[in-house]
Amino acid sequence: EDKVVQSPLSLVVHEGDTVTLNCSYEVTNFRSLLWYKQEKKAPTFLFMLTSSGIEKKSGRLSSILDKKELFSILNITATQTGDSAVYLCADFGTSYGKLTFGQGTILTVHP
Amino acid sequence: GAVVSQHPSWVICKSGTSVKIECRSLDFQATTMFWYRQFPKQSLMLMATSNEGSKATYEQGVEKDKFLINHASLTLSTLTVTSAHPEDSSFYICSAPERKNIQYFGAGTRLSVL
Repeated sequence: EDKVVQSPLSLVVHEGDTVTLNCSYEVTNFRSLLWYKQEKKAPTFLFMLTSSGIEKKSGRLSSILDKKELFSILNITATQTGDSAVYLCADFGTSYGKLTFGQGTILTVHP
Repeated sequence: GAVVSQHPSWVICKSGTSVKIECRSLDFQATTMFWYRQFPKQSLMLMATSNEGSKATYEQGVEKDKFLINHASLTLSTLTVTSAHPEDSSFYICSAPERKNIQYFGAGTRLSVL
């Protein structure tokens, strides 16, 4: 059974800080790893990572995958209060389309 | 990104009644859709995989007769919570993978059973 573990479970920072969120996974048939941001409603897609060492970047957010060590990180630089959310990583593994989610990291950014 | 529409966004019902939730992929076809349940401050738990033209595949511990899933077309899946009870109150979310295998999520349905 696929397993995805995120850390830390919660994080409180001030605006302008840089944060790093961690995601480790154990899967039998890895295809890709996805990051989502969830505010009050459903998760919105951030990144999909399939190859090791290639950084995906979108504005202040970036993410990278290490397939040898089985982990991924999500970086957010110059955080803003609007970045406050739950960040979820998920493994897209054995069964078609089926995602296994980690517990999520609750990020709170104070002004 | 692709758009998945979920309706209703919030429903309140009496104990013992049934509630239907719809999930539509608006700009792509999805032979497979997924239904999740999320409790407060917890992550998403996959309930079942909805398959167009065939029976849904349920995760271990999910009651098939309680949570009826129908995938009527390539753009529509429905989840019916039958004989709802207060313990069924939760946030239900659907998702559909588009051709790049990125899953897009509906806005979710908050179910409150009185």
